[in-house]
Amino acid sequence: EAGVTQSPTHLIKTRGQQATLRCSPISGHTSVYWYQQALGLGLQFLLWYDEGEERNRGNFPPRFSGRQFPNYSSELNVNALELEDSALYLCASSLEAGYSNSPLHFGNGTRLTVT
Amino acid sequence: QKEVEQNSGPLSVPEGAIASLNCTYSDRGSQSFFWYRQYSGKSPELIMFIYSNGDKEDGRFTAQLNKASQYVSLLIRDSQPSDSATYLCAVTEGGGADGLTFGKGTHLIIQP
Repeated sequence: EAGVTQSPTHLIKTRGQQATLRCSPISGHTSVYWYQQALGLGLQFLLWYDEGEERNRGNFPPRFSGRQFPNYSSELNVNALELEDSALYLCASSLEAGYSNSPLHFGNGTRLTVT
Repeated sequence: QKEVEQNSGPLSVPEGAIASLNCTYSDRGSQSFFWYRQYSGKSPELIMFIYSNGDKEDGRFTAQLNKASQYVSLLIRDSQPSDSATYLCAVTEGGGADGLTFGKGTHLIIQP
């Protein structure tokens, strides 16, 4: 069974540009979560998508947005990039919307560097 | 604001000994608790989850939960050098809506 896949592995952008990160969940998983892991800050919850809808978002500005496609893959967009957006962006999927029976499984992440 | 606290370490344990990793959380409504292992430069990997007070064992790993004390721990028996990693504690109220709240992790070093 293929795991969660993310692309690209690395992304280098300049301040003010836009970045697009992509994620394919494990086959059969409908929920996709995005997390930011910045140095020294730990994993921060960004967004949760389920069945094509944004269900919840963490404490991040609106320039962080995304969507989920009919095949349950997802895209994270970061507009007007700032230096502090440099981080590892992790996508995770779960079998259903809820943690009691379906823990999160993470992809290998996209390392975003903003210069 | 929900908080999950872990000692950042590094925690150094001799090979073959028991490694004990601790985590406290602030939200009394937390229902589900997870331990992830993250090797440097890699993504977090789920080790165990626990929902009920008490102990849960899986191979060399034992998770312990005490909701009254808002405390969850992970014991690793017969520690191996390959166990050297950062261990992340994560909690949630469940239902997916709030996302997992992660601690910053404990860096564990197993000394051969």
